[in-house]
Amino acid sequence: EGQLMQSGGGLVKPGGSLRLSCAASGFTFTTYSMNWVRQVPGKRLEWVSSISASGGLIDYADSVKGRFTTSRDNAGASLYLQMDSLRLEDTAMYYCVRDKRGYDPWGQGTLVTVSS
Amino acid sequence: EVVVAQSPGTLSLSPGDRATLSCRASQNVGTYFSWYQHKPGQAPRLLIRDSSNRATDISPRFNGSGSGTDFSLTIDSLEPEDSAVYYCEQRNNWPHTFGQGTKLEIK
Repeated sequence: EGQLMQSGGGLVKPGGSLRLSCAASGFTFTTYSMNWVRQVPGKRLEWVSSISASGGLIDYADSVKGRFTTSRDNAGASLYLQMDSLRLEDTAMYYCVRDKRGYDPWGQGTLVTVSS
Repeated sequence: EVVVAQSPGTLSLSPGDRATLSCRASQNVGTYFSWYQHKPGQAPRLLIRDSSNRATDISPRFNGSGSGTDFSLTIDSLEPEDSAVYYCEQRNNWPHTFGQGTKLEIK
């Protein structure tokens, strides 16, 4: 049913940048839209961004619009999240997910900590 | 934005019991509704899509129902491994939004 393996993340200062990657395997990557979902510790899950199967349609939550950029490499079956101008409130576990009328599967998650 | 409210916040039950978790959306979302199980240290897992369709390899003990604004997830014959936080999600409107979670404890 597919797997998603994430990399990137870590500790960054406010105003800094990070890039998250997500490598897909076990399914036809080019036929699914992909998303990023995050969870601030102790809070509910929050949708962050969506990219269509072709990469032609991209959308963002208002909280990250203008600062985050989602892209995909269909030839390499990979998804990316470029995070710029990071804020303290962006501290969260970030998950890449496939959209199959529900988010399934989920990557293992990568922790992003924004702290001075 | 569609607000999704989950209840109860915490549910404490015994092995063999039935659990009923509820979600209410602030507007009609049809049957575009999902449920997820999230255990500590693991990624969330899709249980139910389209309100009532179990995802691949999900036990028939998990059942979803509802449409419009009111949805429920029932878990029959609770097992210790069912201890987790359960989230619901509406996906009829963008942004897709989640409930605040129900923590299920198996005593």
